Amino acid sequence: AQKVTQAQTEISVVEKEDVTLDCVYETRDTTYYLFWYKQPPSGELVFLIRRNSFDEQNEISGRYSWNFQKSTSSFNFTITASQVVDSAVYFCALSDHNNDMRFGAGTRLTVKP
Amino acid sequence: EAQVTQNPRYLITVTGKKLTVTCSQNMNHEYMSWYRQDPGLGLRQIYYSMNVEVTDKGDVPEGYKVSRKEKRNFPLILESPSPNQTSLYFCASSADRGYNEQFFGPGTRLTVL
Repeated sequence: AQKVTQAQTEISVVEKEDVTLDCVYETRDTTYYLFWYKQPPSGELVFLIRRNSFDEQNEISGRYSWNFQKSTSSFNFTITASQVVDSAVYFCALSDHNNDMRFGAGTRLTVKP
Repeated sequence: EAQVTQNPRYLITVTGKKLTVTCSQNMNHEYMSWYRQDPGLGLRQIYYSMNVEVTDKGDVPEGYKVSRKEKRNFPLILESPSPNQTSLYFCASSADRGYNEQFFGPGTRLTVL
């Protein structure tokens, strides 16, 4: 069965610090997809990234970067030079051949000015 | 504007009174899904639908029903709501199957007294 673990329930940093959000997943499939979503205080869910299991290249998008390592079943998310607007709950999610989607419990990030 | 809409956005009801939360998308997406969000548990999938007349259970389907008679609509039905169904509910859609980016509705906050 698939499972997503976000061990960090809450993280608090000061603006301009770098922060990494951890995500560890479990699946028996060789083909699967990993996602990160952001939920700001306003409540909507915002898609950040999707990565398939055959693409282990790290990705960078502005201040955001993602490190996918199949060897450790991890898909970690780093925010560089954090800003107050990054304060949100971040969810990691996994989808495999069953087409259902499993989310982690989320990590609440607070960036203080 | 491409969007997923949900109604109502807020609902307070009493135990046992049947209710329906509507979900509609205007992107011609095949895949639609319902989630509930509870503190400390993240988002949990209730039901999903791969296409018209095709629905499948997610992680927490008990107490819920869905139907997919038209491609754009995917209502969530609570035949006899109970207090443990008090939650924040999200509808989502994606172009094809569960492994594409999902677009989420704004959420419906349901309170069952």
